[in-house]
Amino acid sequence: AQKITQTQPGMFVQEKEAVTLDCTYDTSDPSYGLFWYKQPSSGEMIFLIYQGSYDQQNATEGRYSLNFQKARKSANLVISASQLGDSAMYFCAMRAVQGGSEKLVFGKGTKLTVNP
Amino acid sequence: EPEVTQTPSHQVTQMGQEVILRCVPISNHLYFYWYRQILGQKVEFLVSFYNNEISEKSEIFDDQFSVERPDGSNFTLKIRSTKLEDSAMYFCASMWLVSSTDTQYFGPGTRLTVL
Repeated sequence: AQKITQTQPGMFVQEKEAVTLDCTYDTSDPSYGLFWYKQPSSGEMIFLIYQGSYDQQNATEGRYSLNFQKARKSANLVISASQLGDSAMYFCAMRAVQGGSEKLVFGKGTKLTVNP
Repeated sequence: EPEVTQTPSHQVTQMGQEVILRCVPISNHLYFYWYRQILGQKVEFLVSFYNNEISEKSEIFDDQFSVERPDGSNFTLKIRSTKLEDSAMYFCASMWLVSSTDTQYFGPGTRLTVL
C-alpha cells in the first residue's frame, strides 16, 4: 500500500527566504505520481505541482519546485522567495492506481508560517 | 479557468438526519471523487466514480454513504443518517483522465457539522 510521510508538523520562514517542506513516500508500484497541495485557512485545496516517477527533471511551477530524489523516495517541495500569502497547510500526496481507478493518498501535512 | 464548485459551503445538521452534499465537477471531466478531512487531520479518500458507477470505495464509505450523478453536471454525496463523527470538511474532486500525468482538481469543500 502507498504511504506518504510528512515529518514536519510546522515550519517557520522569514518573508523572501526559501523553505523546504519534506515528503517521503513508500510504494511498490514502478509508476507513480506525486503532488503537492496548498490549503489556506479558508479550507480549499489548491494544486501546486506534480512530479511523475519517470520524469527526468524536477518539476517547477513559478516559485515552487520539487526536489525529487527517487532512490531516497523523497519529493520535497521548495518554495522560493516566501510571501506572507504562502502561510498555509501543505499536503504531499501520491497517486494510487488500482484496476483502472485511482485515488490520492495524503500525508498529514505541514503548517507553514511566513513571518514578516 | 474552469473549476469544481460545491454547495453548500457549510451545512449544520442534527444527528440522524440525512444530508446531501452537492458538487459540480469541471465540465469535460470523466472521473469524480469524494474525500473527507476531519478537523486537523489529513485528507482521506472516500469514493471514486466513473461511467455512472463506483470505481473504488474506502472502508469509511459504508452503507450510510451513497453517491449519484443525477444529471450531466451534478455529483452528489448522500449521508443517510449522520453521526457526530461525520463532522468534517468534504471535498469533491474531478479529473479528465486516469493517466500518469493528469491531476485531480478539488472543489472548495463543504464543512459538515453534526450536532
